[in-house]
Amino acid sequence: KAGVTQTPRYLIKTRGQQVTLSCSPISGHRSVSWYQQTPGQGLQFLFEYFSETQRNKGNFPGRFSGRQFSNSRSEMNVSTLELGDSALYLCASSGGGQETQYFGPGTRLLVL
Amino acid sequence: GIQVEQSPPDLILQEGANSTLRCNFSDSVNNLQWFHQNPWGQLINLFYIPSGTKQNGRLSATTVATERYSLLYISSSQTTDSGVYFCAVVDNYGQNFVFGPGTRLSVLP
Repeated sequence: KAGVTQTPRYLIKTRGQQVTLSCSPISGHRSVSWYQQTPGQGLQFLFEYFSETQRNKGNFPGRFSGRQFSNSRSEMNVSTLELGDSALYLCASSGGGQETQYFGPGTRLLVL
Repeated sequence: GIQVEQSPPDLILQEGANSTLRCNFSDSVNNLQWFHQNPWGQLINLFYIPSGTKQNGRLSATTVATERYSLLYISSSQTTDSGVYFCAVVDNYGQNFVFGPGTRLSVLP
């Protein structure tokens, strides 16, 4: 099976712009979770989608949003980018229950 | 929410040495995983181990759920073991992973 894929791998944006990141889960996986990793805050949970519905949400402002399509692919969007949004954004997929999560390679976002 | 601590924060080893990494958590969990993040940022899951002991080659892990800790053992370390090791848990009330701060391991040739 192909692993979790994320696009793009690298992205440079300027403050105030918006960005959309994409994640394709492992075939058959219905849950996609998104995480933000920064040197200062570590790995933090953003949100989880399961069967096109947001099932769980972390403590991030409303500028961070996401969605999931019927084929389980997921996108996350960050509007009005701030310098502090510079981070590695990771997505993970699983079957949807309490089991192993598999991570993609991440998207490195730099906000100038 | 649940708190996760990892120790030590940094570890430097000579190739061939053994090491033990520890993860403490503040509440009961129904999911615990160990991950290795390589220098390129890729997170690889090592063990799904909410309780008990598992082994995979040179790596093994033990979780004592009643005492709220988990240990990751690395034997005969290799330079490719370098990176950051994360423990992540889901408590009995939540549905999302909470990650510890990680242990940065450097294995020298």
